[in-house]
Amino acid sequence: QTVVTQEPSFSVSPGGTVTLTCGLSSGSVSTSYYPSWYQQTPGQAPRTLIYHTNTRSSGVPHRFSGSIVGSKAALTITGAQADDESTYYCVLYMGSGIWVFGGGTKVTVL
Amino acid sequence: VSLVESGGGLVQPGGSLRLSCSASGFTFGAYSMHWVRQAPGKGLECVSTIGLSETKTYYADSVKGRFTISRDNSKKTLDLQMSSLRPGDTAIYFCVRGTFGDTSPYYFDDWGQGTLVTVSS
Repeated sequence: QTVVTQEPSFSVSPGGTVTLTCGLSSGSVSTSYYPSWYQQTPGQAPRTLIYHTNTRSSGVPHRFSGSIVGSKAALTITGAQADDESTYYCVLYMGSGIWVFGGGTKVTVL
Repeated sequence: VSLVESGGGLVQPGGSLRLSCSASGFTFGAYSMHWVRQAPGKGLECVSTIGLSETKTYYADSVKGRFTISRDNSKKTLDLQMSSLRPGDTAIYFCVRGTFGDTSPYYFDDWGQGTLVTVSS
């Protein structure tokens, strides 16, 4: 059973930088898993932020960036704003139509 | 791009329900499509994927044998037939557009607002 790991929560100050990670219970995350990131606020549908590791979706501010850091995929918010307060999900494509989401990271901006 | 789900509601355990998604604003037949669900207060789970034609379908283990995904490219609709429903299937079900040509990079592109399915007696 493949488990995708994310930090449960993070707190960042307005204007600060935070890096969220997306790992595998066993093994390393690589670009071959096509890591992507989604932002969700309560009561809303998820919004696509980053796909294919580091490609920003249309209309996504440049303060959001994706990368591989060590053995994990990472989402960095540089210059956090109040409306970045959300839950962020990563997902990895395992092949053969199998997708595994992480449990989500709740980001608080204060 | 617009994805509008319908068909959710309250159903008893063991019952059936059919969800539909009406798509517009893009060439529907050129994209893979997904159903992603979210149980109350929980995370996201991709329950089913369909390729450009109905010959390529995929299901999460949690729904395999109970759910059937289908699409009608002429009507630009995506369906999810759900049977033998369990309380654990209670969730918001999102219709999601996948990738063009069903090729890499693989990701979830555009999301509908979702439809709530409640399985309870």
